[in-house]
Amino acid sequence: QKEVEQDPGPLSVPEGAIVSLNCTYSNSAFQYFMWYRQYSRKGPELLMYTYSSGNKEDGRFTAQVDKSSKYISLFIRDSQPSDSATYLCAMSEAGSARQLTFGSGTQLTVLP
Amino acid sequence: ETGVTQTPRHLVMGMTNKKSLKCEQHLGHNAMYWYKQSAKKPLELMFVYSLEERVENNSVPSRFSPECPNSSHLFLHLHTLQPEDSALYLCASSQTGRENTIYFGEGSWLTVV
Repeated sequence: QKEVEQDPGPLSVPEGAIVSLNCTYSNSAFQYFMWYRQYSRKGPELLMYTYSSGNKEDGRFTAQVDKSSKYISLFIRDSQPSDSATYLCAMSEAGSARQLTFGSGTQLTVLP
Repeated sequence: ETGVTQTPRHLVMGMTNKKSLKCEQHLGHNAMYWYKQSAKKPLELMFVYSLEERVENNSVPSRFSPECPNSSHLFLHLHTLQPEDSALYLCASSQTGRENTIYFGEGSWLTVV
């Protein structure tokens, strides 16, 4: 079993739709959770960062962590074609990038 | 100017060649990383340099050799690679104390023929 599971997609939605991206994990010691966005032929960029359980909102993006279920989500409201990218979840036990474990990414296309 | 710059962006090399990837960070960070990204696979951490000291080598084959001459520059020396080494190689940097916030470069696309 992979330590972090992420549905690779591809996922296609119409513009304006609400998008839900998810990751499950097996290591209950993970405390730090991140979402990265990676445009085609580019490096990943940090989109959302959360610690422990709960929700965090930033504009159209909401990150949700449910540690009891070992499940994290990224919601995108009013999706735009510019949101088309691959979304990577990442997590770690401690505040160390050396220990980051990444999902394999979900490819999202928002159709105009 | 982007925070983390990688060159070359694209590289095609034969299995007997020797080449190097270069990374430069302009963020004042004190840790730098090399990651490998293959299709449909999670990012793999290859090397970490913190305060110019290599912290760990995640069992990466010896045909990959990193070099970190100072906190702003990082190299990945490549020799006698295999076709399965074809991938996107990403450099990243972070600052001690904010290590979960890492910044990636745009990557170097490597094709081994």
